[in-house]
Amino acid sequence: EAQVTQNPRYLITVTGKKLTVTCSQNMNHEYMSWYRQDPGLGLRQIYYSMNVEVTDKGDVPEGYKVSRKEKRNFPLILESPSPNQTSLYFCASSRGLTTYEQYFGPGTRLTVT
Amino acid sequence: GENVEQHPSTLSVQEGDSAVIKCTYSDSASNYFPWYKQELGKRPQLIIDIRSNVGEKKDQRIAVTLNKTAKHFSLHITETQPEDSAVYFCAIRGFKTIFGAGTRLFVKA
Repeated sequence: EAQVTQNPRYLITVTGKKLTVTCSQNMNHEYMSWYRQDPGLGLRQIYYSMNVEVTDKGDVPEGYKVSRKEKRNFPLILESPSPNQTSLYFCASSRGLTTYEQYFGPGTRLTVT
Repeated sequence: GENVEQHPSTLSVQEGDSAVIKCTYSDSASNYFPWYKQELGKRPQLIIDIRSNVGEKKDQRIAVTLNKTAKHFSLHITETQPEDSAVYFCAIRGFKTIFGAGTRLFVKA
């Protein structure tokens, strides 16, 4: 089954404790992206990647890191989480950059206390 | 920077009526305009999309119109049903993807 998976689905952590949210897709998609969703703000893009070893900032990259060492994986790293990073996070992938449908993962709800 | 304005933020209609959601954008480089439906606790799901070389696209009860000159596009849902109740997001896609803030649609039976 073609899908995007994220882990963990739920995470409660404390300020400053490094964490990684994994994202994996099995569709051989070149484009992958991370979004955060906050009430009233829609989805905002954190980082995106157009291919292996190619990443770029979205609109809200501060406090986040990403890497794309393999085509299928695109982990999101929070080196020192803060309470303002409490949010719902979605990973997405698509076949190409601009005119292709994005497939979203199930989401990761992160709470930083 | 680029942004997308989406209106209205909340929309309540009677079952069977039509619903229209509008988005305006500022980025001329965008050439792909998707619409997503998100039900409570679920991921966004693509419901219809339109590319910049097309002015209108229809899929059963859902249609999207695009005016590139005026930089706005709209979602039209006809014969609304209670199961259409959800949050709808427009987006623009170039190198980045920018989403509107969302419209919460209530369809009253």
